[in-house]
Amino acid sequence: AQSVSQHNHHVILSEAASLELGCNYSYGGTVNLFWYVQYPGQHLQLLLKYFSGDPLVKGIKGFEAEFIKSKFSFNLRKPSVQWSDTAEYFCAVRGNNRLAFGKGNQVVVIP
Amino acid sequence: EAGVTQFPSHSVIEKGQTVTLRCDPISGHDNLYWYRRVMGKEIKFLLHFVKESKQDESGMPNNRFLAERTGGTYSTLKVQPAELEDSGVYFCASSQEKVGETQYFGPGTRLLVL
Repeated sequence: AQSVSQHNHHVILSEAASLELGCNYSYGGTVNLFWYVQYPGQHLQLLLKYFSGDPLVKGIKGFEAEFIKSKFSFNLRKPSVQWSDTAEYFCAVRGNNRLAFGKGNQVVVIP
Repeated sequence: EAGVTQFPSHSVIEKGQTVTLRCDPISGHDNLYWYRRVMGKEIKFLLHFVKESKQDESGMPNNRFLAERTGGTYSTLKVQPAELEDSGVYFCASSQEKVGETQYFGPGTRLLVL
């Protein structure tokens, strides 16, 4: 069965700071990886995904993630955050057509 | 195009009562999934429909949970009788026919069992 680990569940940073959220997964099959985001009062939205090809994937709102197979990692990054990036971020891996999520990172950006 | 919708948005019930949650997937999406997030825990898979058939229900906690998808359209998830530990947010997601397609999530139903 697949599993995902996310660390630093609560992150507080100032606007313009850089953000990196770690994600490590465990799955023995073909890897499909996702980052979802849930803004306050809204539903889960897809931020970006990796299926194959270029391991550096770019998503919406200036986010990117890098798949490093040797490290079983899929870390999310944004060079300069904005107040509107305050949200909860979830890393997920798909296996057997189901998603396994990490516990999420609650990110608060202070203006 | 309308997204995944769920009803109700919130439900507060007493232990022992029955609650039915509804999910309307994106039109044309054959795959429908139910997930649940208990407070402080990760979002966990419950089950997967392909059209009206249950493809995988290995994540269902116990036989108090019953999911249906009549005619391959909307789905319901019934909890009967509800227990305190059933409290959480229940998410529905849908995806297109092709296996591996992105899952689109609904807003969730917040269930509180007192």
